[in-house]
Amino acid sequence: KQEVTQIPAALSVPEGENLVLNCSFTDSAIYNLQWFRQDPGKGLTSLLLIQSSQREQTSGRLNASLDKSSGRSTLYIAASQPGDSATYLCAVRMDSSYKLIFGSGTRLLVRP
Amino acid sequence: KAGVTQTPRYLIKTRGQQVTLSCSPISGHRSVSWYQQTPGQGLQFLFEYFSETQRNKGNFPGRFSGRQFSNSRSEMNVSTLELGDSALYLCASSWGGYATNEKLFFGSGTQLSVL
Repeated sequence: KQEVTQIPAALSVPEGENLVLNCSFTDSAIYNLQWFRQDPGKGLTSLLLIQSSQREQTSGRLNASLDKSSGRSTLYIAASQPGDSATYLCAVRMDSSYKLIFGSGTRLLVRP
Repeated sequence: KAGVTQTPRYLIKTRGQQVTLSCSPISGHRSVSWYQQTPGQGLQFLFEYFSETQRNKGNFPGRFSGRQFSNSRSEMNVSTLELGDSALYLCASSWGGYATNEKLFFGSGTQLSVL
């Protein structure tokens, strides 16, 4: 059974800092991995999607990497801003069932 | 282009009642998936519909059901509500569905409270 873990559960950093969020999964048979952002009481916004054959994806200040063999992904946020404060979730889509399995998220606070 | 629209935004029901939630996907999207989000269990996949057919289902009891109409709008129904069904219910849409490397677009959700 696939388990997706995100560490840390919460993170507080000063504005301008570069930071890394971690996501690990137990079953490497994944179709893709997505990183989402969720603001309080809102739905999810897809940030980056990495296909199983890819190693990384970049969008603006965000860079996500994927190492299938070790069951790890990281989301790198450069020069963090208060507007980046949100909960960040990773989700893996399984290769066989295509079900989407979410981690429990990292709650990020960027202090001005 | 309008985003994914979920109605109603908030619902309060009592145990034993049933409820229907609605999701209108982005125009042109054919796939709609539903998720339950609770503080204890996090985000869990309920089911996915593509062109009016359920293609995938999570591990939820039969009280949870859904359907998709020819215009791709989807409804989710929960019968015989239990206190544990209190959650934020999210739907997401995409053009091609799960067997594609497409991003999902989520609605703002329906917050269901069961008293």
